[in-house]
Amino acid sequence: KAGVTQTPRYLIKTRGQQVTLSCSPISGHRSVSWYQQTPGQGLQFLFEYFSETQRNKGNFPGRFSGRQFSNSRSEMNVSTLELGDSALYLCASSLLDSPKTEAFFGQGTRLTVV
Amino acid sequence: KNEVEQSPQNLTAQEGEFITINCSYSVGISALHWLQQHPGGGIVSLFMLSSGKKKHGRLIATINIQEKHSSLHITASHPRDSAVYICAVNVIQGAQKLVFGQGTRLTINP
Repeated sequence: KAGVTQTPRYLIKTRGQQVTLSCSPISGHRSVSWYQQTPGQGLQFLFEYFSETQRNKGNFPGRFSGRQFSNSRSEMNVSTLELGDSALYLCASSLLDSPKTEAFFGQGTRLTVV
Repeated sequence: KNEVEQSPQNLTAQEGEFITINCSYSVGISALHWLQQHPGGGIVSLFMLSSGKKKHGRLIATINIQEKHSSLHITASHPRDSAVYICAVNVIQGAQKLVFGQGTRLTINP
């Protein structure tokens, strides 16, 4: 069974641009969560999608958005990039949106904003 | 104060030593996860606990719900165990929203 796949693995963007990251969950998993990891703040929750609906959202500005498709694949978008958006973006998939369901993480997308 | 605190932040040990990493949390949780992150970034889920104790090979994880504390133990540590170990909790009202500790950087020297 294939794991969680995130694309691209690495990305360099310029301030002010926008970026879209993709996450393909494990087959059959319906919940996808996104996290941002920076050296200063550590890992922080961005949002969670289940069956194409956003179920939870972290404390991030509106420039961060996401969506989930009917095949459970998810994308997150960051508009008007700032230098501080440079981070490792991780997604995790789980079978259900129950908190007692194990989460499986992807390898992450490392975004550098210059 | 962070909702999830780990100790120590850094740990260096010799191969073969018994390792303990601690995690304390201050919120109500439905589950606690121990994660491993190697250089390069990918995260592997080691354990998910809601009570008691779990064991996988040389790794053991315990949780005490009343004391809001969990420990990760590594027996007969090996240099390949060198990684960052992260404690994360599902807050009760948060479904798949995880709140993370700051991580423990473990280095095992041969």
